[in-house]
Amino acid sequence: DVKVTQSSRYLVKRTGEKVFLECVQDMDHENMFWYRQDPGLGLRLIYFSYDVKMKEKGDIPEGYSVSREKKERFSLILESASTNQTSMYLCASSLRGQGLQETQYFGPGTRLLVL
Amino acid sequence: AQTVTQSQPEMSVQEAETVTLSCTYDTSENNYYLFWYKQPPSRQMILVIRQEAYKQQNATENRFSVNFQKAAKSFSLKISDSQLGDTAMYFCAFMKPPGNTGKLIFGQGTTLQVKP
Repeated sequence: DVKVTQSSRYLVKRTGEKVFLECVQDMDHENMFWYRQDPGLGLRLIYFSYDVKMKEKGDIPEGYSVSREKKERFSLILESASTNQTSMYLCASSLRGQGLQETQYFGPGTRLLVL
Repeated sequence: AQTVTQSQPEMSVQEAETVTLSCTYDTSENNYYLFWYKQPPSRQMILVIRQEAYKQQNATENRFSVNFQKAAKSFSLKISDSQLGDTAMYFCAFMKPPGNTGKLIFGQGTTLQVKP
């Protein structure tokens, strides 16, 4: 089974702090994704990466950056946390292939509260 | 741009009954992929079922099946013999054809409660 893990289930940070969210997958997937989930909005893509050191902006990249130094690890960075970044953050990974081969598998999520 | 709409924010069903969750999408693509994901209260998102647009046969996975109407751009999820463990938020998602790095576009989600 695919396993995607995230470093924390819950985080509480102060406004202005630098925040790191870590995601690790164990299935040698090329693609990795960061989403945020908010009530009534579903999941929105922040950034994704299709290879080591490669990254592309998603739909809502403002205020975020990412790092992918190793294939299995994809980090989301909030350079200066703000209260409007309080949310649930979900990481996902998938193979790079054709169609359903690119089915995404998700981690358990990190609920971030910025005070 | 593609969009996915789930018009039912909340639904409930009695245990052992059948329930259908609605999903519509908008796209100009002819080949694409559709998914239903389940997110139980523990928050781990799980794949429920998936469908390739060029396949006319509706996908089924045990008690879960879809009604895929390509012309109407509709992709509803039917859960038969509902169980308490089906209580969750359900997300419909759209993926563009290959070559787009597998990005998903999600609907707003439907919270389903199965009542004993």
